[in-house]
Amino acid sequence: NAGVTQTPKFQVLKTGQSMTLQCAQDMNHEYMSWYRQDPGMGLRLIHYSVGAGITDQGEVPNGYNVSRSTTEDFPLRLLSAAPSQTSVYFCASRPTGPRQETQYFGPGTRLLVL
Amino acid sequence: LAKTTQPISMDSYEGQEVNITCSHNNIATNDYITWYQQFPSQGPRFIIQGYKTKVTNEVASLFIPADRKSSTLSLPRVSLSDTAVYYCLVGDIRSGNTGKLIFGQGTTLQVKP
Repeated sequence: NAGVTQTPKFQVLKTGQSMTLQCAQDMNHEYMSWYRQDPGMGLRLIHYSVGAGITDQGEVPNGYNVSRSTTEDFPLRLLSAAPSQTSVYFCASRPTGPRQETQYFGPGTRLLVL
Repeated sequence: LAKTTQPISMDSYEGQEVNITCSHNNIATNDYITWYQQFPSQGPRFIIQGYKTKVTNEVASLFIPADRKSSTLSLPRVSLSDTAVYYCLVGDIRSGNTGKLIFGQGTTLQVKP
């Protein structure tokens, strides 16, 4: 299994541009989430999904959209990039069931908005 | 979800045992306690999880008192490679509708030679 994959690894955007960060997992996990991590800070939850067709907002959802059309993919869309969205973005997934010890994180996407 | 409080940073030396305590005064009956480790430029990695008393695996031990309002992650005989940020999370992982994992600022552990 490839686990959780994210593309691109690094991206530079200009203010106002839009883009989609891709996240995919091949472990048939129901739960997927997006986090952002600013320098020296902890992770903040942007959006999450408990299954295909179901998404919900996290702590900092403004400026981001998500969709979950399949179990495998959970893309994060930046509608109109702003310098405040410069961050490292992590995607994560975990299976259903009573335990979450097998939550997996992707390698991250570093985003720079100029 | 219960809010957690951890020390911002800790220093230790190689070979020592390190104990990181997390406070979660508002923990709910169905909440579990989970610890993650994060190295620079990587995503967090699961370390250990528990509900009450003591849990031990090949990496760490987790001590949870009877009132569950705090927990302590114990790392035996740390090495330089244990330098990382450690996050404590609490949440009801049993619910089929719960996808949220809320991370705090974590504890930056610096292991010195």
